[in-house]
Order: sequence, then structure tokens, then C-alpha cells
Amino acid sequence: GAVVSQHPSRVICKSGTSVKIECRSLDFQATTMFWYRQFPKQSLMLMATSNEGSKATYEQGVEKDKFLINHASLTLSTLTVTSAHPEDSSFYICSSDGTSGTDTQYFGPGTRLTVL
Amino acid sequence: DAKTTQPNSMESNEEEPVHLPCNHSTISGTDYIHWYRQLPSQGPEYVIHGLTSNVNNRMASLAIAEDRKSSTLILHRATLRDAAVYYCILKSRGGSNYKLTFGKGTLLTVNP
Repeated sequence: GAVVSQHPSRVICKSGTSVKIECRSLDFQATTMFWYRQFPKQSLMLMATSNEGSKATYEQGVEKDKFLINHASLTLSTLTVTSAHPEDSSFYICSSDGTSGTDTQYFGPGTRLTVL
Repeated sequence: DAKTTQPNSMESNEEEPVHLPCNHSTISGTDYIHWYRQLPSQGPEYVIHGLTSNVNNRMASLAIAEDRKSSTLILHRATLRDAAVYYCILKSRGGSNYKLTFGKGTLLTVNP
């Protein structure tokens, strides 16, 4: 199956700083990538959908100015959490369905963000 | 996305079959039934999906009711590595984006 990687796997930062999370498709071209957030003991919540070369589409209630998404190439999407606060501490996961038309989504291993 | 209902938790013994149920009474004709699982502190992993007919792959089998209002994921011989949260999700084809909406899933515990 297709492989999606994320970097870093975990990050600890101070309140007020910005953190960038990278999501890469290693063996396929990802036209579309999805970003999820998961709080402890809760399910995944879709934050936004990004398409290569265009602006991301954010889900209701997700602040686009706080969670900046860039999908500049077919193998890389980044999520930047700006001015992070402790309530942003969460498990962030990206996924892609590869080239359009496939039925399966491939998920990255996730990034654990802790904001002190 | 249409809603699915799953038990919060289930328990199984190692090397025994496990049947994980999912109800989706409002499923539409274009909805595929997908199953993903998530091991602790990992991203979800695709398990299987189907439309109308039962499906088998190396990981599991998917049994779909004739009226498609329910389905069952079958793990033929549970192992300790199968302990995870299993999500049953309906997803339609078509459109430029394919979004998965995760419910709470079923936490499967496998006893040695």
C-alpha cells in the first residue's frame, strides 16, 4: 500500500510559538491531503482538505488563520499551528487518497504536539 | 456523510473469531462501507471496504446485509496485535474530495 510519513513524530513547544508539521507521500502523488486532529480518548476530527496548488478547504469551526495549510507539491503538505496554546495540544494526523478515484485513504503515523 | 452505529467496546480471546457489527440504516445507494482501525498512538489503517457483496482480504472479511443497513467486520483469528479501535465509515464516491467522517468506533480488546 501507499506510504505517508509525518515529521516530526512528536514536538513540544512553548505557548505562543509556531509549529510546522510536514506530511509526505513517499511512493505516490497526493493530489488531495486531509488533516485531522485527535484529542485523548476521542475520535479523529477532520480539520481541512488541501489540494495541490490551491487553497485549503477548512471544516466549520477550524480557524484558517491559526492552522495554516500549504500543499505546494504533489508529495508534500504542511500544517503550521501559529501562536500555539496549551489547548492546541493534540495528535495531528494527515492522510491522502492518492490520485483521485481511489477508495482507500492512507494515513500518516501522526504527530503528537504538546504546548507548554 | 451518513451515520453509523457501533458498540463502544468488545472483547475477544486470542485465536478466536471476532465479529464487529455496524448499523447504517440511512445508507444511500452510492455509499461504500469502509472499515479502518487505529492502534494506540498511531494513524488509522485501512482494513476493508465493500458496496453490496461480501468481501475478503488478507486482513479480514466484510459481511454486508442484503438490505445494506448493517454490516459485520470479521477477524477470523484474533491476535493481540488486532487490539485497536475499529471504525465503520460510509463514504460516497464522486466529487473532487473524498472525506471520511469518523465516529467513536469500537474498542476491541484481545485477551491472551
